[in-house]
Amino acid sequence: GAGVSQSPRYKVAKRGQDVALRCDPISGHVSLFWYQQALGQGPEFLTYFQNEAQLDKSGLPSDRFFAERPEGSVSTLKIQRTQQEDSAVYLCASSLGEQETQYFGPGTRLLVL
Amino acid sequence: AQSVAQPEDQVKVAEGNPLTVKCTYSVSGNPYLFWYVQYPNRGLQFLLKYITGDNLVKGSYGFEAEFNKSQTSFHLKKPSALVSDSALYFCAVRPQWGANNLFFGTGTRLTVIP
Repeated sequence: GAGVSQSPRYKVAKRGQDVALRCDPISGHVSLFWYQQALGQGPEFLTYFQNEAQLDKSGLPSDRFFAERPEGSVSTLKIQRTQQEDSAVYLCASSLGEQETQYFGPGTRLLVL
Repeated sequence: AQSVAQPEDQVKVAEGNPLTVKCTYSVSGNPYLFWYVQYPNRGLQFLLKYITGDNLVKGSYGFEAEFNKSQTSFHLKKPSALVSDSALYFCAVRPQWGANNLFFGTGTRLTVIP
């Protein structure tokens, strides 16, 4: 079946621009996670949804980062007033339940100039 | 606090030889342990996991991993490496209770030499 999809795959933004990154989880998956992967590093947790409820946003680096999942399916990660340090790959993962295996999308590579 | 260490940035092995990619972890309580593989411009692909039970876990593409509680390790192994196994490998841990997110190591780049 279809896996996790993310769009766009690549995004170039000028410093100060707002960006929106989309994640389509595997159908029926209740849990959805966002991670940030800097160059040469492992993914780091940003935020977690169970259905439409954002249960953990402790990893969001600043109040410029905002995530939503209004209908419990598609999720959007929004970054306002992008900075160069936001350049990274943003990975989305979904799982059937909170303790099930997480399956990752291909990621969105964000470059802030 | 939860953390994962992958002590080797790079591992090189000859095709057909056994391979080992090392991982040690620190977690509160019982660990859930995972291995993922990342190919260029691709997301993370799930290889295998340890939740409970047999310490030797078998996964995709002939990979296996051994959970060692006393050494807090979860090394990834394969008896005979293929060139196509060349990729970036990540170990991850999640505590049995508490945080639902994964804590990743910094990755190990495996190169299999023909």
